[in-house]
Amino acid sequence: EIVMTQSPATLSVSPGERATLSCRASQSVSSNLAWYQQKRGQAPRLLIYGASTRDTGIPARFSGSGSGTEFTLTISSLQSEDFAVYYCQQYSNWPPTYTFGQGTKLEIK
Amino acid sequence: EVQLLESGGGLVQPGGSLRLSCAASGFTFNIYAMNWVRQVPGKGLECVSAISVGGGTTLHADSVKGRFTISRDDSENTVYLQMNSLRVEDTAVYYCTRGRGSGWQYYFDFWGQGTLVTVSS
Repeated sequence: EIVMTQSPATLSVSPGERATLSCRASQSVSSNLAWYQQKRGQAPRLLIYGASTRDTGIPARFSGSGSGTEFTLTISSLQSEDFAVYYCQQYSNWPPTYTFGQGTKLEIK
Repeated sequence: EVQLLESGGGLVQPGGSLRLSCAASGFTFNIYAMNWVRQVPGKGLECVSAISVGGGTTLHADSVKGRFTISRDDSENTVYLQMNSLRVEDTAVYYCTRGRGSGWQYYFDFWGQGTLVTVSS
């Protein structure tokens, strides 16, 4: 089974600054990697798929990069509404397991 | 507007059963794979069950295999999760999700609001 590891567990950043979140896969998932945002009390929301493609309506300040085993989600200038938990998810292997990372909590510094 | 509306959650004793439903609207239901993803309160996400277009193939996580069954009724635009032999560790919010991608390589582009299942004596 592919294990997804996110770092750091918690990231403290000031509004207006850049945030960089990491996700590592235990084996290559090619570009089959998605990122989700979850605010307190809400369902997760898809941000990025295919490692770097923003979903419809996602602001341009969100960008994804990487392939293989190393991935990054960058939020270029943090807005107040961006403070949330972020999850990565692979959808590469067979049989599919759709495993998620354990999440990174992005909090206000 | 895509909507996924879960129902059927609640409190059940260990060993009991529940059936979750997810009513879909706003899209052509029968051309999408559908899934159930759960989240223990305050914890991470786990995809427990998935069903293919047409319903001919289903997948279940090892943690629920033999106890949970996913099914779909395309005439009613609804996906179900039959949960039997429930355990305390099945306590979680269960989300219905739509799969978008190619074949079984897909991500979850829409999520319902979730339904809470509590297994406790």
